[in-house]
Amino acid sequence: KNEVEQSPQNLTAQEGEFITINCSYSVGISALHWLQQHPGGGIVSLFMLSSGKKKHGRLIATINIQEKHSSLHITASHPRDSAVYICAALDGTASKLTFGTGTRLQVTL
Amino acid sequence: DARVTQTPRDKVTEMGQEVTMRCQPILGHNTVFWYRQTMMQGLELLAYFRNRAPLDDSGMPKDRFSAEMPDATLATLKIQPSEPRDSAVYFCASEGGNTGELFFGEGSRLTVL
Repeated sequence: KNEVEQSPQNLTAQEGEFITINCSYSVGISALHWLQQHPGGGIVSLFMLSSGKKKHGRLIATINIQEKHSSLHITASHPRDSAVYICAALDGTASKLTFGTGTRLQVTL
Repeated sequence: DARVTQTPRDKVTEMGQEVTMRCQPILGHNTVFWYRQTMMQGLELLAYFRNRAPLDDSGMPKDRFSAEMPDATLATLKIQPSEPRDSAVYFCASEGGNTGELFFGEGSRLTVL
């Protein structure tokens, strides 16, 4: 069973700061998802990546398959980025996702 | 604007009652997932279907939970009888095409008293 760990669990930042959230997993995967869950509860998929780096607006996700590690970066953070960010590892042979426990981000003015 | 639709959004029921949650995946998406989210366990996979066939329901308590996909536009998750420990938010998600991107519904918040 894949163990997916995220750090930090909680993060408070001031508007404009550069933010990094880390995710590590124990077993080889076919891909990794980054999800965003807002206080209202809805979940949005931010990225799915299996190698290298992806960028969307102020969000950047990277993955190192050899080190079994992924990072989510937010540049020029804004209060509207406040949410829980969840990484999820996709099993190499099936469509099963194993979720991290999430990182709660609070961006203040 | 294509999205995954779940009903009900909120359900409060008494222990022992039957609960049915419904999900309409995005048209054309052939893989549908049911997840459960609790404070203690976070997000967990309960079951998933591909082309309406159940592929994995190992995350689901078999004695009281059942998941079906009677047609391509409807997935159901039923709990009978419900117990207080089933209180959680249940999410449906669908995935389609080659991107592998997941689209989540708004969730069904279940409270079993």
